[in-house]
Amino acid sequence: SQQGEEDPQALSIQEGENATMNCSYKTSINNLQWYRQNSGRGLVHLILIRSNEREKHSGRLRVTLDTSKKSSSLLITASRAADTASYFCATAYSGAGSYQLTFGKGTKLSVIP
Amino acid sequence: GAGVSQSPSNKVTEKGKDVELRCDPISGHTALYWYRQSLGQGLEFLIYFQGNSAPDKSGLPSDRFSAERTGGSVSTLTIQRTQQEDSAVYLCASSSRLAADTQYFGPGTRLTVL
Repeated sequence: SQQGEEDPQALSIQEGENATMNCSYKTSINNLQWYRQNSGRGLVHLILIRSNEREKHSGRLRVTLDTSKKSSSLLITASRAADTASYFCATAYSGAGSYQLTFGKGTKLSVIP
Repeated sequence: GAGVSQSPSNKVTEKGKDVELRCDPISGHTALYWYRQSLGQGLEFLIYFQGNSAPDKSGLPSDRFSAERTGGSVSTLTIQRTQQEDSAVYLCASSSRLAADTQYFGPGTRLTVL
């Protein structure tokens, strides 16, 4: 079953604007990750934030994590048409050494040139 | 080396037939995961291999699904007596022992069961 829930389900913005996507989850985690998927195929790892971290940056990406609210946000600044894709959050809990990921349903981002 | 590769990229089969999907992980990666992405269920974990340990099969949806990993590298996911609800994109991912929490995904195999 899905643990994460992204919101919004779909987002359409103009090129140059910022895009913010949110993710909520239900159980304890070791880390939370964001992935991008183009055209329903392979997932590209964007950024990982550990449960003891609150904010992380990577290029135009900023991720926050609030473990008390069990939520995370992904901010893409100065968006480009090439950012058009589906974005998924995934939580990982290492039980017996496995970091199996539990994915949310994703946010479909459209960046209009 | 190269990224995770999967074959075939697309597979169309008739209901009731068996299919085999292949995954070649990144060289040296000890962990291998299979996930399934379908319209109704989103992205779901199927099975996890780590080295020579017994696999974690907790995500396999039925006993028609099985997977093996030969020599700690290539993995094959087999679906027997396919059903229409098996139609999905099957994604494979691998990770290294040093960065076990970061998985690298292959391009997936799109399976269509007619």
